Amino acid sequence: KQEVTQIPAALSVPEGENLVLNCSFTDSAIYNLQWFRQDPGKGLTSLLLIQSSQREQTSGRLNASLDKSSGRSTLYIAASQPGDSATYLCAVRGLVGNQFYFGTGTSLTVIP
Amino acid sequence: DAGITQSPRHKVTETGTPVTLRCHQTENHRYMYWYRQDPGHGLRLIHYSYGVKDTDKGEVSDGYSVSRSKTEDFLLTLESATSSQTSVYFCAISEGHRREKLFFGSGTQLSVL
Repeated sequence: KQEVTQIPAALSVPEGENLVLNCSFTDSAIYNLQWFRQDPGKGLTSLLLIQSSQREQTSGRLNASLDKSSGRSTLYIAASQPGDSATYLCAVRGLVGNQFYFGTGTSLTVIP
Repeated sequence: DAGITQSPRHKVTETGTPVTLRCHQTENHRYMYWYRQDPGHGLRLIHYSYGVKDTDKGEVSDGYSVSRSKTEDFLLTLESATSSQTSVYFCAISEGHRREKLFFGSGTQLSVL
């Protein structure tokens, strides 16, 4: 069974800092990997989707990379802002079945 | 934002009572999913549907049933609620081809007392 891990579970940084969130998975047989943001009491919002054939995706201040062979993805946030404070989750979609496997998330706090 | 509506948003019920949660989408997406989110476990798939009347189990399906009689509606039923089913329940949708994004509703907070 696919296992998805996100470390650290929580991260606190001063405003303006660049930061990296990590996601690792045990089975490299994936269709894609998706990064989500979740605000307290809310649903998940899709940030970036990387197909298995891609190396990275960018959206504004966000850049996600994928190294399928090593089972790792990173989400890079440039020039962090207090509004970036949220929990960030990654999920991989396996080749078999129709299952998404989620990490437990990294809770990010950006201090003004 | 994807047009996904979950109802109710909050519910408190007693052990042993039946509970039905509703997910309604306006995107005409083929795939619909029910997840539960619990501290320390992340999101876990309960059931999913790949078309009208076509459903399949996820990793935590025991104690839950689903129905999809229309493309836009996906119902999750707890036949006899237990305290272990206290959780936040999320509905999600995707177009279906395996390369598409997953979109989520706002969730239902369910408390079983």
